[in-house]
Amino acid sequence: DSGVTQTPKHLITATGQRVTLRCSPRSGDLSVYWYQQSLDQGLQFLIQYYNGEERAKGNILERFSAQQFPDLHSELNLSSLELGDSALYFCASSVEMGTVGGYTFGSGTRLTVV
Amino acid sequence: DQQVKQNSPSLSVQEGRISILNCDYTNSMFDYFLWYKKYPAEGPTFLISISSIKDKNEDGRFTVFLNKSAKHLSLHIVPSQPGDSAVYFCAASANSAGGTSYGKLTFGQGTILTVHP
Repeated sequence: DSGVTQTPKHLITATGQRVTLRCSPRSGDLSVYWYQQSLDQGLQFLIQYYNGEERAKGNILERFSAQQFPDLHSELNLSSLELGDSALYFCASSVEMGTVGGYTFGSGTRLTVV
Repeated sequence: DQQVKQNSPSLSVQEGRISILNCDYTNSMFDYFLWYKKYPAEGPTFLISISSIKDKNEDGRFTVFLNKSAKHLSLHIVPSQPGDSAVYFCAASANSAGGTSYGKLTFGQGTILTVHP
């Protein structure tokens, strides 16, 4: 157990639907990151939050949004889902904003859009 | 634009021998490099890192080498063990760049390492 909790572990939904992925960071970590791993792809950075504020943005689609709440948990909202959104979505956390020492990743949410 | 590339999708080695995983990058702003290991059904686990001010960092059986002029890094595992069988991701960040780059890791595609007993 890495200390980063992601729910649900698996999600199957239909095209056009909306889903919410949840992440609880490791205790004491202020920064949360979201990554997407599609089939045969490396991990693609989506977005970072630090202590409730958005800090960095990657190639995140406009149909996707995220937020970090006062208790530091984060949610990634995916709407108008398409087949191509099927992927593993990872959340990671770290104490500070930067990457020195690396992040701690959760075990991911596998999203299947049918 | 693939800024971090792992050109070998897979590598197979015998237990006890050396495993060498390679990674190339194109962005000269990258100043911090990391290796992650990933088992099936788990998230990536941080393995070892190196700052651009160094050319080598060692941690037990794992050593990372950085060649800045060639924009190339490698991970050496000696001796390799069957438990090392996993997907290995190379990642890079531009920590000193600040702004929107700070905190973002750019990952390679991964290399599947199989260590045979």
